[in-house]
Amino acid sequence: QKEVEQNSGPLSVPEGAIASLNCTYSDRGSQSFFWYRQYSGKSPELIMFIYSNGDKEDGRFTAQLNKASQYVSLLIRDSQPSDSATYLCAVMPSGGYQKVTFGTGTKLQVIP
Amino acid sequence: NAGVTQTPKFQVLKTGQSMTLQCAQDMNHNSMYWYRQDPGMGLRLIYYSASEGTTDKGEVPNGYNVSRLNKREFSLRLESAAPSQTSVYFCASSEPGGGKGPADTQYFGPGTRLTVL
Repeated sequence: QKEVEQNSGPLSVPEGAIASLNCTYSDRGSQSFFWYRQYSGKSPELIMFIYSNGDKEDGRFTAQLNKASQYVSLLIRDSQPSDSATYLCAVMPSGGYQKVTFGTGTKLQVIP
Repeated sequence: NAGVTQTPKFQVLKTGQSMTLQCAQDMNHNSMYWYRQDPGMGLRLIYYSASEGTTDKGEVPNGYNVSRLNKREFSLRLESAAPSQTSVYFCASSEPGGGKGPADTQYFGPGTRLTVL
């Protein structure tokens, strides 16, 4: 079992719709969770981080964390073509503050 | 404020050649990392340095060596390149926040695209 799992996609959504990206992790003691966006040919950049159960909103982005189910998600409301990218889920494990594990990423395509 | 810089941006090597990838950050971060990214494999940690003077192996360290030259610079060396090392290499830095906040965010350089023939 991979430590951090994501559906590779592509996930296609029409412009203006809500995109829902999901991530599961295996280390129950994981502390912090990050969503990075990576455009083709570019480096990853942080979109959201979350470390408490529940929802965290930042503009059109909402991160959701459920530690009991070992599940973290990213919702993108009013999706725009500029949101088309690969979204990487990253998990910081218990006791290893530096060794973040990345998922393989979900490719999102927003169709105009 | 350039953030994280990497050199070179592109490199083609022949099997058996050696090279060093350079990385520097100007954010005064203590921690630095080297990742490789391959299609379908995501970002995999090669080595990391929690602070100046320390380095530790990550998930895929074989065939690589690193040097934390000072707080700003962290280099990755391929002693004898192999085709399996064809990849995109990213350097990143962070200032550990104890797992409770944005300080654990990693900032990435633009990457080095390496091809080994």
